Amino acid sequence: DTGVSQDPRHKITKRGQNVTFRCDPISEHNRLYWYRQTLGQGPEFLTYFQNEAQLEKSRLLSDRFSAERPKGSFSTLEIQRTEQGDSAMYLCASSSATETQYFGPGTRLLVL
Amino acid sequence: QKEVEQDPGPLSVPEGAIVSLNCTYSNSAFQYFMWYRQYSRKGPELLMYTYSSGNKEDGRFTAQVDKSSKYISLFIRDSQPSDSATYLCASGGNAGNMLTFGGGTRLMVKP
Repeated sequence: DTGVSQDPRHKITKRGQNVTFRCDPISEHNRLYWYRQTLGQGPEFLTYFQNEAQLEKSRLLSDRFSAERPKGSFSTLEIQRTEQGDSAMYLCASSSATETQYFGPGTRLLVL
Repeated sequence: QKEVEQDPGPLSVPEGAIVSLNCTYSNSAFQYFMWYRQYSRKGPELLMYTYSSGNKEDGRFTAQVDKSSKYISLFIRDSQPSDSATYLCASGGNAGNMLTFGGGTRLMVKP
């Protein structure tokens, strides 16, 4: 399978804990995106990378959130000191410079 | 007001019906328009991709964009129970930038 993959698929954590999610994009895609989706809503943009450079960040990405793509391949999204409001589906997508975005299966986070 | 608006539904139709799903948007800079299908607890799956105004057809699916009225449509012909899902419209300023999504319309096709 050469699609976008995400790990883990599900994560349950207690409030205040740190969590980290991983995304592996389609191999030839140089752009990688993170979105967050809450129940009954469409995905909301968080941040995106072109190769290893983080080019844009949403106001939704508070100081507790950090994303990296150190070698321009996979990316990680870390949430520090999780809050119950962080419970959502975290989606990763990738694209080349001239194509639209293809999404992974998402990581569903539940903060207790 | 959200930049992309979509009726949340649910929309319930009998099998074989023609389905019309619609979105409106407010940002004149949007040039790319997509439709994604999302099954419960899954990631969005790209269905249609259109640049600027016009129509695009792919099998049972037809996407229409009218930039003058900022209106986006997806038509599904001969709808099937397997089409039951949430349909998300999305718009972007260019192919590489962030997408702005509508809230999704839940479609139910009854056998």
